[in-house]
Amino acid sequence: AQSVAQPEDQVNVAEGNPLTVKCTYSVSGNPYLFWYVQYPNRGLQFLLKYITGDNLVKGSYGFEAEFNKSQTSFHLKKPSALVSDSALYFCAVRDITGTASKLTFGTGTRLQVTL
Amino acid sequence: DARVTQTPRHKVTEMGQEVTMRCQPILGHNTVFWYRQTMMQGLELLAYFRNRAPLDDSGMPKDRFSAEMPDATLATLKIQPSEPRDSAVYFCASGPDGGRGMNTEAFFGQGTRLTVV
Repeated sequence: AQSVAQPEDQVNVAEGNPLTVKCTYSVSGNPYLFWYVQYPNRGLQFLLKYITGDNLVKGSYGFEAEFNKSQTSFHLKKPSALVSDSALYFCAVRDITGTASKLTFGTGTRLQVTL
Repeated sequence: DARVTQTPRHKVTEMGQEVTMRCQPILGHNTVFWYRQTMMQGLELLAYFRNRAPLDDSGMPKDRFSAEMPDATLATLKIQPSEPRDSAVYFCASGPDGGRGMNTEAFFGQGTRLTVV
C-alpha cells in the first residue's frame, strides 16, 4: 500500500524568508510524486511533479521540490516566501508499478506567511 | 481553458434524502477520481475509474454510496440515504494517460460542498 506523510500540520514563515514543507512517502515500486496547493473554498491546484530525471524539480509560483530516494522524501521549497503563498499544501504519490494506480494524498500542511 | 466541472457547488439536504453529485472530466482524460475532504480525515479517496471502469472503490461506504461513469463525459457520486456524517466537500479529479507516462497529474474540480442536516 502506498502512503504519504506530512509531519507538520502548520508551517509559519516570515515574508522574504525561505520556506520548506516536508513530505515523505512509501510505495512498493517507483514513485510519481506531486505537490498541490489549495486556497480557501477552492479545489486543489497542481504545483509540480517528479517523474524521473533531475531530482530538483521546478514548478509554478517559484516553488521547487527535491526528490531524495534514500530518504524517501519530496520536500517543497521556495527561496523567498510571499504572504500570498499562505494556503494548504498537499503532497501526493502514485506507484507506477502495474497498469494504473491511484493518487494518494498526505494530510496537508497549512503554510502561514506573515509580514 | 479545459477544466473539471462539478455540480452542484453547494448542496444542503435533509438526512435520509438521496444526493447526486456530478462531474464532467476534462475531455480526453481517461482516469477519474472522487475524493472527500473533511477537517478530521483530510482527503480520502472514495473511488477511482480508468476508461470508465471502476478500479478501486475500497474507500467508499458500500451500503450508501455508489459511483458510476455512464459515459466518458460524466461521472456521478450518489449517496442514498444521506446522513449528517456525510457532510464534507466532495472533489472530482481527472487525469490523462491512465496514471503512467509523463502526463500523469490529476486536475481537480471546485468541489461540491454537501451539508446534511
